[in-house]
Amino acid sequence: GQSLEQPSEVTAVEGAIVQINCTYQTSGFYGLSWYQQHDGGAPTFLSYNGLDGLEETGRFSSFLSRSDSYGYLLLQELQMKDSASYFCAVRYSNYQLIWGAGTKLIIKP
Amino acid sequence: EPEVTQTPSHQVTQMGQEVILRCVPISNHLYFYWYRQILGQKVEFLVSFYNNEISEKSEIFDDQFSVERPDGSNFTLKIRSTKLEDSAMYFCASTTGDRAYNEQFFGPGTRLTVL
Repeated sequence: GQSLEQPSEVTAVEGAIVQINCTYQTSGFYGLSWYQQHDGGAPTFLSYNGLDGLEETGRFSSFLSRSDSYGYLLLQELQMKDSASYFCAVRYSNYQLIWGAGTKLIIKP
Repeated sequence: EPEVTQTPSHQVTQMGQEVILRCVPISNHLYFYWYRQILGQKVEFLVSFYNNEISEKSEIFDDQFSVERPDGSNFTLKIRSTKLEDSAMYFCASTTGDRAYNEQFFGPGTRLTVL
């Protein structure tokens, strides 16, 4: 079967840095995406890694190691508005994304 | 900024009834998707649609489900005979051809409640 593992919840302090890990076991792999979802909202795209290494977009960075079937999302200079759930999703085939269960990020002042 | 829209925002129906969920993807997008998310759980892929046909579907997308693009703007998901377990948030998403697989734009969702 296909599986993605990520922590269910992470707590951090405003202004700090937090890393959300994702490990995956899928029979197909084209790349790893990260999406943010606020309570009651729609997922919004954050980043995509098709190759090993680090991708940086503003305060957010994402890393992929295909040999380790592992990736992470790094959020810097945390703001209260970053409180949300973060999902890793494997591009499993040409069209299909398989999603992790999500990590709820709680930010404390 | 262009966005994906979905109607209705909330649909309540009786078990066994048919429902149609509607989506208007971003106008220059070519690939369309339906996902569902049961409350508090992960997002699950249902189906992808390109060039007026289904390109891929998951095991969830059984004979009770169908999709259609009846005109140049709408993209619909039909559930023929709803079951209690179909209660979920249904998201439509779309992408452009050049970044089809990497950045999907999601609509606000339709919350389906089956009684």
